[in-house]
Amino acid sequence: NAGVTQTPKFRVLKTGQSMTLLCAQDMNHEYMYWYRQDPGMGLRLIHYSVGEGTTAKGEVPDGYNVSRLKKQNFLLGLESAAPSQTSVYFCASRTGTRRSYNEQFFGPGTRLTVL
Amino acid sequence: QKEVEQDPGPLSVPEGAIVSLNCTYSNSAFQYFMWYRQYSRKGPELLMYTYSSGNKEDGRFTAQVDKSSKYISLFIRDSQPSDSATYLCAMTGGAGNQFYFGTGTSLTVIP
Repeated sequence: NAGVTQTPKFRVLKTGQSMTLLCAQDMNHEYMYWYRQDPGMGLRLIHYSVGEGTTAKGEVPDGYNVSRLKKQNFLLGLESAAPSQTSVYFCASRTGTRRSYNEQFFGPGTRLTVL
Repeated sequence: QKEVEQDPGPLSVPEGAIVSLNCTYSNSAFQYFMWYRQYSRKGPELLMYTYSSGNKEDGRFTAQVDKSSKYISLFIRDSQPSDSATYLCAMTGGAGNQFYFGTGTSLTVIP
């Protein structure tokens, strides 16, 4: 199993450009998450999904959109990139069974720089 | 006020030392408390998790939760250079889908 994979690993954008980050998981997990990690800010939740076709806003959703058309994929879109979106983006997934706790598995991250 | 507060460090200790990492939180609904380890330029990996108050031990690592004080700790005994990483605390409520993370503490263990 590959676990959680992210594409691309690195990207440099100019202000105003758009791009899509792809997250894929092969563990049949129901829940998927997008976080951004910035120095001194820790991991902050952007959007998440509790199942195919569903999405919800997290702590810092502005400037981002997401889609979960297939259970194994969770896409994060930046329609008009801004320098404030320079960050490391992590995707995570976990099972959504009725057990009270289920581990989140993280991808390797995407380093995005917006000039 | 942030949901979770964590001292960012950095923390530098000699090999063999006991390390103490801590987080405080404000939401009394949190029931599950986790510690993640993140090596440089990698994604976080779960180290341990604890449910409600109490201690949990796994090898050289011990996690403690004091819900009355809204305070959690991670102790690392006989620290090794391979323990050098950033340690993130995280927590969630029983019914919630969101996890709340601390800012992370950078630890360096000097040989």
